[in-house]
Amino acid sequence: DTEVTQTPKHLVMGMTNKKSLKCEQHMGHRAMYWYKQKAKKPPELMFVYSYEKLSINESVPSRFSPECPNSSLLNLHLHALQPEDSALYLCASSQRLAGAQETQYFGPGTRLLVL
Amino acid sequence: QQQVKQSPQSLIVQKGGISIINCAYENTAFDYFPWYQQFPGKGPALLIAIRPDVSEKKEGRFTISFNKSAKQFSLHIMDSQPGDSATYFCAASSYSSASKIIFGSGTRLSIRP
Repeated sequence: DTEVTQTPKHLVMGMTNKKSLKCEQHMGHRAMYWYKQKAKKPPELMFVYSYEKLSINESVPSRFSPECPNSSLLNLHLHALQPEDSALYLCASSQRLAGAQETQYFGPGTRLLVL
Repeated sequence: QQQVKQSPQSLIVQKGGISIINCAYENTAFDYFPWYQQFPGKGPALLIAIRPDVSEKKEGRFTISFNKSAKQFSLHIMDSQPGDSATYFCAASSYSSASKIIFGSGTRLSIRP
């Protein structure tokens, strides 16, 4: 099973709302990632967790708050977002950190619209 | 120096033809070069990958050609099919950069029936 699941598939939220994105994998991977992808652009790395610890934060605004409650789950908490944060949010996982030539497996993404 | 330059931005190929997408890089520390395929509404999926100690890798109709001295690599899709219509991203990473995959800008490939 090489599946990464993400919920919800679509999310519409106002600028004052608080919402969360959820990602799950059962491949025993110990590295998990959040990416943001705008239309017709490549994915942009946001956060990396390695063994449930935050390893990389790519200078992401604090209105995005990641959480890794266990080795299978990754959440992204959203608060006070801006319309320009509307994008496809992708979760990925790999056995170890990707620089070690590890394949990253991507989920289908959550399409977020901020009004 | 961390960039991976990809061309063309879009490509239209007749069914049965050869699709060719090119990428170039500057950072000689890169040691892993994957290609990702992304269909609309889906996340990217690893298609094929190569390491710089190999000049070519073939998997079915997909071939990566790698030129280490020129710091260029390309994806060839033989006998292109309408089901190959997708966006393709080349990418690069290095052991020293830990988790970062540097993606190219993407190529939207359309295969005409």
